[in-house]
Amino acid sequence: GDSVTQMEGPVTLSEEAFLTINCTYTATGYPSLFWYVQYPGEGLQLLLKATKADDKGSNKGFEATYRKETTSFHLEKGSVQVSDSAVYFCALYQAGTALIFGKGTTLSVSS
Amino acid sequence: DGGITQSPKYLFRKEGQNVTLSCEQNLNHDAMYWYRQDPGQGLRLIYYSQIVNDFQKGDIAEGYSVSREKKESFPLTVTSAQKNPTAFYLCASSIRLASYEQYFGPGTRLTVT
Repeated sequence: GDSVTQMEGPVTLSEEAFLTINCTYTATGYPSLFWYVQYPGEGLQLLLKATKADDKGSNKGFEATYRKETTSFHLEKGSVQVSDSAVYFCALYQAGTALIFGKGTTLSVSS
Repeated sequence: DGGITQSPKYLFRKEGQNVTLSCEQNLNHDAMYWYRQDPGQGLRLIYYSQIVNDFQKGDIAEGYSVSREKKESFPLTVTSAQKNPTAFYLCASSIRLASYEQYFGPGTRLTVT
């Protein structure tokens, strides 16, 4: 079945460092891809999305490009802040199914 | 403000007791979902509902039950049959089942001892 694999965390960075969180997927057809973020003690919020190959989703300085050839949707940010500390979930959606989430990657940014 | 509310934020129960978690939304969404979150396991789908009086089992429905008597409300009951009920429970909704953008509530942390 469809699945999402994320790099294991935690990822620990200093403020202003470059961030990459890897995400790859397995799916039949052409899923839509998402990154959700969960701040401590809260629910999830949609961070960005891409609905077809080569689309780039972006929000709050984060970016991810839907790469069909490598079945990837890596999350990047050029300069992280302490306030970016959270758990990041990669997810995919196929028509007629529910969202399928990865296991989440914890990011910790120190000043 | 529109959104999803879950209450309470923290819930404690003794083993063998059923407990019901509340989820309410005022977004006028048709579809609602319950997820369970455990450390290192991501989110797993328990139940979902695409319309009033209809709901479907997700990947880990055993030991749980739901109802959808009103569009706004989708309560989850954790029964005594659930072997490991201690977890963080998240409720979500979307405009319709086929919509991929889900809005999440703040979650309820259930501890059973």
